[in-house]
Amino acid sequence: QVQLVESGRGVVQPGRSLTLSCTASGFPFNMYAMHWVRQAPGKGLEWVAGLWYYGRIKYYADSVKGRFAISRDNSQNTLFLQMNSLRAEDTAMYYCARASLGGTTPYFDFWGRGTLVTVSS
Amino acid sequence: SFELTQPPSVSVSPGQTARITCSGDILPRQYTFWYQQKPGQAPLLIIYQDTERPSGIPERFSGSRSGTTVTLTISGVQAEDEADYYCQSGDSDTTFAYAVFGGGTKLTVL
Repeated sequence: QVQLVESGRGVVQPGRSLTLSCTASGFPFNMYAMHWVRQAPGKGLEWVAGLWYYGRIKYYADSVKGRFAISRDNSQNTLFLQMNSLRAEDTAMYYCARASLGGTTPYFDFWGRGTLVTVSS
Repeated sequence: SFELTQPPSVSVSPGQTARITCSGDILPRQYTFWYQQKPGQAPLLIIYQDTERPSGIPERFSGSRSGTTVTLTISGVQAEDEADYYCQSGDSDTTFAYAVFGGGTKLTVL
């Protein structure tokens, strides 16, 4: 069955960097777009970034553009999120999600359990 | 960018029908998707492309649209349906739209 397992959780100081990973199994990873979605404590879902099949087309939310970088290694069935210049408002549970397309819109048919990132001094 | 607006909360008694709305100017031009999230769990896709249910989602969950508003209807609400519900759509009129979520609605089963 489809499984997505995030790793890389931690507490980091503002301004520092952190890399999240998401290891996929149970489906042809290289045939799917993959995304990151986050949820601040007690808040709603916020789409963060998306990456199409072979890593050439990437999209970012305005709130992370220029600071975060999404990438993938199809040989290792792994998705990454490099987070730089972290801010307190980046504190959230970060979910890895498999995307399908509804028309031109990505939607998320499978999610990982999430990994918690806390940005605090 | 486009925004999606949901009511913060909806309350119903068991067996009744719950309706959760999602409004946004982009909705006539983009599909809408719905997710259920229970405390401590990841979101679960329950409706895709406005009206379709993924395998394993009970028939009491349905979706509809009218103009700039889409509605998630839960018929015969059960205690286990108590959760947060999020709508999601595209955030662009161009090819391969970004994703945008509504603010979420907390469904309370009285």
